[in-house]
Amino acid sequence: GAGVSQTPSNKVTEKGKYVELRCDPISGHTALYWYRQSLGQGPEFLIYFQGTGAADDSGLPNDRFFAVRPEGSVSTLKIQRTERGDSAVYLCASSRNMQETQYFGPGTRLLVL
Amino acid sequence: GIQVEQSPPDLILQEGANSTLRCNFSDSVNNLQWFHQNPWGQLINLFYIPSGTKQNGRLSATTVATERYSLLYISSSQTTDSGVYFCAVENTGTASKLTFGTGTRLQVTL
Repeated sequence: GAGVSQTPSNKVTEKGKYVELRCDPISGHTALYWYRQSLGQGPEFLIYFQGTGAADDSGLPNDRFFAVRPEGSVSTLKIQRTERGDSAVYLCASSRNMQETQYFGPGTRLLVL
Repeated sequence: GIQVEQSPPDLILQEGANSTLRCNFSDSVNNLQWFHQNPWGQLINLFYIPSGTKQNGRLSATTVATERYSLLYISSSQTTDSGVYFCAVENTGTASKLTFGTGTRLQVTL
């Protein structure tokens, strides 16, 4: 079956703009995760959903970042008033249930000018 | 939070050589995964291995949870093995979020 998909693959925006990044998890996976990877670093956790609810959002850097998963499948990561420091690859992962293997999507490369 | 250290940070091998990558972690874990990040940035699952030993073709991994380390073995390396290898752990009690190490960058040359 299909893996985790993310759109767009690349996004260039200007400082101060709003962006939305989409993640489509593997069908039937109840758990969905967002991570952020800066150049030369390992991915860092942002937020985790179990079903529709955010079970852990402790990794969101500030209140400009928000994520939703209204129907328990597709998720959208929303960034308001983007800053140059938000430039990174945003990765989405899903797993069948919590504490199981996480499968990653190809990522969205965000560049804030 | 849990600390994850990987060694070596960089490794250059000739095709056909074997290698061992190490991951040390500072606390008990529910989950440990090894990933290969290819030059296009895709994270590819290698192993889900919170304990014990697994093998998949030329790759194998061993986790000794009581001693808080895991090893990834690559045998008969190929140029397609090049990329960054990450170890990631889920700390017991932190409900599913993975903490990644800083990675081992592997280059396999002809």
